[in-house]
Amino acid sequence: GEDVEQSLFLSVREGDSSVINCTYTDSSSTYLYWYKQEPGAGLQLLTYIFSNMDMKQDQRLTVLLNKKDKHLSLRIADTQTGDSAIYFCAEPFLGGGNKLTFGTGTQLKVEL
Amino acid sequence: EAGVAQSPRYKIIEKRQSVAFWCNPISGHATLYWYQQILGQGPKLLIQFQNNGVVDDSQLPKDRFSAERLKGVDSTLKIQPAKLEDSAVYLCASSLGTSYTGELFFGEGSRLTVL
Repeated sequence: GEDVEQSLFLSVREGDSSVINCTYTDSSSTYLYWYKQEPGAGLQLLTYIFSNMDMKQDQRLTVLLNKKDKHLSLRIADTQTGDSAIYFCAEPFLGGGNKLTFGTGTQLKVEL
Repeated sequence: EAGVAQSPRYKIIEKRQSVAFWCNPISGHATLYWYQQILGQGPKLLIQFQNNGVVDDSQLPKDRFSAERLKGVDSTLKIQPAKLEDSAVYLCASSLGTSYTGELFFGEGSRLTVL
């Protein structure tokens, strides 16, 4: 089986930065993804990074990729209460394609 | 553009009963997925369809779970008979194709409670 690991819970104050970490399994993964799940809703793609990149920035989001350690992180700058959700990292199944293996999810709680 | 539609949103049944979930993907999306999300865990792929054919059902417990996508559009996922451990949210997702480039679009899910 493939296990994508994440810490379960993160609590930050509004305005601070949040960093959510993930350890994936397949060093040949071409893309790695971050999905967001708000309460009672399905998952929504937040951002992704191509495996030949070390970093990708998209407005308040920064994705860092360390291929050597198979470590992926998502940094949210100026975290807002609306960012409270569960964040999943995901990698394609061995062999690629759109079949994704999701991590356990990190619940982000933003406090005032 | 309408999103992925799923029904019912909630279902409570007793063990050994049967249940069916329905999914209507985004128009034009050839690939459809069913995921199972147990509370506190990430979604786990059950089955993937490309049009009306099965691409991967290796993680589908075929002794009790079945799924079909007869006309290559809507899909149904059935559980018969249900067990307590089937309590989960069943998420349907769709994408344009099977290559890595497309994102998955998820429905809101169908929450199943087995008593």
